[in-house]
Amino acid sequence: DADVTQTPRNRITKTGKRIMLECSQTKGHDRMYWYRQDPGLGLRLIYYSFDVKDINKGEISDGYSVSRQAQAKFSLSLESAIPNQTALYFCATSDIRLAGTQYFGPGTRLTVL
Amino acid sequence: GQQVMQIPQYQHVQEGEDFTTYCNSSTTLSNIQWYKQRPGGHPVFLIQLVKSGEVKKQKRLTFQFGEAKKNSSLHITATQTTDVGTYFCAGGGGATNKLIFGTGTLLAVQP
Repeated sequence: DADVTQTPRNRITKTGKRIMLECSQTKGHDRMYWYRQDPGLGLRLIYYSFDVKDINKGEISDGYSVSRQAQAKFSLSLESAIPNQTALYFCATSDIRLAGTQYFGPGTRLTVL
Repeated sequence: GQQVMQIPQYQHVQEGEDFTTYCNSSTTLSNIQWYKQRPGGHPVFLIQLVKSGEVKKQKRLTFQFGEAKKNSSLHITATQTTDVGTYFCAGGGGATNKLIFGTGTLLAVQP
């Protein structure tokens, strides 16, 4: 969905480096999410935010942190990247008025060497 | 915690054959959503089911929500090469909009 953008689209980094993935949306949605996708494991929720002052841990938040800088921006940080954080990361948005339908960004492929 | 399992993990069919993927939750769901992810793409919303026993159709796709609201299925009639991709179910637990995604079924269609 072009209304949800992610940067960078691809990133290769080394163990121990700090990495930030950014997500922006022009849909005007109040809710934003970060997922990671690994083969055979589906999409697993890392963090989610229901508005600018709200941050919630998902099922796999260890090793990650987030910041909701504005309604339209939600960034994911890996303070000290490790190889098992190599994955495809998706940002998504939703609006409570739309019954929870989530709109995904194009994804960021992260490789940690 | 709540878990949503999908089977099969992978299905390879000949074009024109039917395909079904099944989704089972460990807890009762308020709704079930289905998403499709094309190879190299991102998940895209297909449909949402809310009512117990609900059945919805989109052309060749038929979606069902179980009577107990703990399972769901997606059936594709006469598959086409454009159906290739991974199909995810996602269970909604209430007003939080938070979804628990299933593990996905990768569908390959041979022409």
